[in-house]
Amino acid sequence: KQEVTQIPAALSVPEGENLVLNCSFTDSAIYNLQWFRQDPGKGLTSLLLIQSSQREQTSGRLNASLDKSSGRSTLYIAASQPGDSATYLCAFTSGTYKYIFGTGTRLKVLA
Amino acid sequence: GAGVSQSPSNKVTEKGKDVELRCDPISGHTALYWYRQRLGQGLEFLIYFQGNSAPDKSGLPSDRFSAERTGESVSTLTIQRTQQEDSAVYLCASSTWGLSYRNEQFFGPGTRLTVL
Repeated sequence: KQEVTQIPAALSVPEGENLVLNCSFTDSAIYNLQWFRQDPGKGLTSLLLIQSSQREQTSGRLNASLDKSSGRSTLYIAASQPGDSATYLCAFTSGTYKYIFGTGTRLKVLA
Repeated sequence: GAGVSQSPSNKVTEKGKDVELRCDPISGHTALYWYRQRLGQGLEFLIYFQGNSAPDKSGLPSDRFSAERTGESVSTLTIQRTQQEDSAVYLCASSTWGLSYRNEQFFGPGTRLTVL
């Protein structure tokens, strides 16, 4: 059974800190790995998508890396801001259409 | 352009009633997905449409759940004889499904269903 684990489950940091969110998966034959943020009462916003042939993607203060051999992906957030407070979800697909989601990391950035 | 939209945003119903949830995908997206998110849990895949057909319904929890899609556009998820365990946020996503298989999924805001 494919599983996705996200550590930590919750994280509280002061504004300005750099931080790393971790995602591990059991199926190394992944095709896409996508990071999302979810704000309370809202849907998911896509942050970054890494295809299997790629090792990392960057968008602004966000950088996501993928290491298929170790079954891990990390999301790096530089210079965190209170507006970054949300739940961050990773999800992967192993060549089919449906994503397998982790349970998320709840991030709170304190002003 | 417009993103994925869902209606209603909130639905409160009594146990045993039927409910219909609607999803309008991004125009031109051939693939459409339904997921369920129970409180404090991750997203569960329910069903996937490619065009108007559903090759995979394996995630539907019971035969009380059904979904259809028409005109390669709007999709409706129907839950019959609702139970309290059906209470969740139901999320819809859509994507293109081209040769690149990039398959980036774009999500709607969800419908929060509460069964009393």
